[in-house]
Amino acid sequence: ILNVEQSPQSLHVQEGDSTNFTCSFPSSNFYALHWYRWETAKSPEALFVMTLNGDEKKKGRISATLNTKEGYSYLYIKGSQPEDSATYLCALNTGNQFYFGTGTSLTVIP
Amino acid sequence: NAGVTQTPKFQVLKTGQSMTLQCAQDMNHEYMSWYRQDPGMGLRLIHYSVGAGITDQGEVPNGYNVSRSTTEDFPLRLLSAAPSQTSVYFCASRYNAGTVVSGANVLTFGAGSRLTVL
Repeated sequence: ILNVEQSPQSLHVQEGDSTNFTCSFPSSNFYALHWYRWETAKSPEALFVMTLNGDEKKKGRISATLNTKEGYSYLYIKGSQPEDSATYLCALNTGNQFYFGTGTSLTVIP
Repeated sequence: NAGVTQTPKFQVLKTGQSMTLQCAQDMNHEYMSWYRQDPGMGLRLIHYSVGAGITDQGEVPNGYNVSRSTTEDFPLRLLSAAPSQTSVYFCASRYNAGTVVSGANVLTFGAGSRLTVL
């Protein structure tokens, strides 16, 4: 069992604020790091998959970075909007197995 | 495309009863997997399969059986339900690791099945 930790557990920000979350994971057995967005009453949807140390990915106002040597990934949201409110999950992929963190719950206040 | 379809969405069982959660995907994904989601815990892998006829255990396999007779279907069986199996179950699929197709590596999730065992 590999321990994947996410912080903070929850976050409330004002509309327009920028924010970031952390995902920490053990560097051993690393194959890929996934980020998913999970809205209430829906299923998790993929944001990014990162495999290389130093990887940076961007989708609109959301971006992510990866450091496999020290075992962490950051997710950034620039200019948060109410529709960004969701739980953001990271998952360590070791090939055929996935280890999910407990998520960061983001609430964007209009 | 339907994506990943799970049935039923809700189920109430009594301790000791058996049932099967169904999962079907129409994306020709080789890899299929089952997770359970409990309060305060991340999604935990129960079983997975990398192709028809091949299954393997995940992090929390006890009390669950799976089989993979076709590429499309991956049912999860509870042979004798226990209250500890009360949870929300998610099926997810993708192409196998190493497949060079855009977006191949991400998991596509079903809508979830909420199971209560009394």
